[in-house]
Amino acid sequence: KAGVTQTPRYLIKTRGQQVTLSCSPISGHRSVSWYQQTPGQGLQFLFEYFSETQRNKGNFPGRFSGRQFSNSRSEMNVSTLELGDSALYLCASSWTGETGYTFGSGTRLTVV
Amino acid sequence: QKEVEQDPGPLSVPEGAIVSLNCTYSNSAFQYFMWYRQYSRKGPELLMYTYSSGNKEDGRFTAQVDKSSKYISLFIRDSQPSDSATYLCAMSASTNTGNQFYFGTGTSLTVIP
Repeated sequence: KAGVTQTPRYLIKTRGQQVTLSCSPISGHRSVSWYQQTPGQGLQFLFEYFSETQRNKGNFPGRFSGRQFSNSRSEMNVSTLELGDSALYLCASSWTGETGYTFGSGTRLTVV
Repeated sequence: QKEVEQDPGPLSVPEGAIVSLNCTYSNSAFQYFMWYRQYSRKGPELLMYTYSSGNKEDGRFTAQVDKSSKYISLFIRDSQPSDSATYLCAMSASTNTGNQFYFGTGTSLTVIP
């Protein structure tokens, strides 16, 4: 079966711009989570969506937002990009969100 | 203090060696314990998960959880060059809005042929 698909794979944006990242979960998975991965901080939890509702949120500023559609596909948006937002953004899906997630390959965002 | 602490390494071992990877945690509410493997330019891949204290074996991999010491381990027997990757531990706790996951920063492992 198809895995978690994230698009685009790579993105270069200028400081101050906004960006939207997309995630298609494994078919049937209703829980989608987003993480930011950087060499210094590791994986940092952004938010989790379950059946179109945000169920959990990490400690990120309001510039980071997301949503989930009725087909479980999810998008995350970052507005007013800062240099420190450069990272690998990972999406992960699960049937219920209780046990381990299946991760996508990520979107590598570079802010210049 | 971070919720999950993991030695970043790097760890370098000869092929065939037994590898021990470890994490400690502070939150006694953690119920699920997982190990992920991440190859370069890829997302993390779930290797094993356990729910309780004790050992769980899967092929060359053994996961061990000691809740009393708040300590988890992953052992890799007969390590292979293909095991070279970053290994992340992860834990989750139930909240009234679902499960929230916490990851270690990862240990970089190189298995030398």
